[in-house]
Amino acid sequence: DSGVTQTPKHLITATGQRVTLRCSPRSGDLSVYWYQQSLDQGLQFLIQYYNGEERAKGNILERFSAQQFPDLHSELNLSSLELGDSALYFCASSRSGKLDEQFFGPGTRLTVL
Amino acid sequence: AQSVTQLDSHVSVSEGTPVLLRCNYSSSYSPSLFWYVQHPNKGLQLLLKYTSAATLVKGINGFEAEFKKSETSFHLTKPSAHMSDAAEYFCVVLSSGTYKYIFGTGTRLKVLA
Repeated sequence: DSGVTQTPKHLITATGQRVTLRCSPRSGDLSVYWYQQSLDQGLQFLIQYYNGEERAKGNILERFSAQQFPDLHSELNLSSLELGDSALYFCASSRSGKLDEQFFGPGTRLTVL
Repeated sequence: AQSVTQLDSHVSVSEGTPVLLRCNYSSSYSPSLFWYVQHPNKGLQLLLKYTSAATLVKGINGFEAEFKKSETSFHLTKPSAHMSDAAEYFCVVLSSGTYKYIFGTGTRLKVLA
């Protein structure tokens, strides 16, 4: 158990809908990262937050957005969902968001029908 | 730009025989390198990390990796495979400029009884 929690574990929804994925980092970690894992794209970094501020952006679509709240939990919002958004979404956390290792949550499996 | 290449997408070994999973990296700076393991339908777990201290790094579950600057390699080894080692393994380089994780494409390890 990494100490990073994600909810929900599974999510099934329809095209065009909007969903919110939630992540709670390990106690004491200030940085949160979001990743998408799909069969064709592999593991892709989406976005990083550090202590409530966006720090780095990866291959995140404009339909997707994220935020980190004062209690350090984070939410990833996915809107206007398409079939291709079906994937495993991971959250990870780290102490400082610099040269330290990341600890991954169990993931949320999103299925768009 | 930093990158990482996992040379084998699939590796099969018999139980009790050595494991070798190959990873080459590209980096302008002294890199931070990691190996993660992902069991089916689970999150990623950190096996070990290299951050410019000892070149031979010992990790969990009997795994170790050797950083070889001259060969730009960071191969993962284990003397004796166990059935529970069957999983997907990811080599990761941490970009020193952006602090982003850059993942390899993964190596799926199969352990035969």
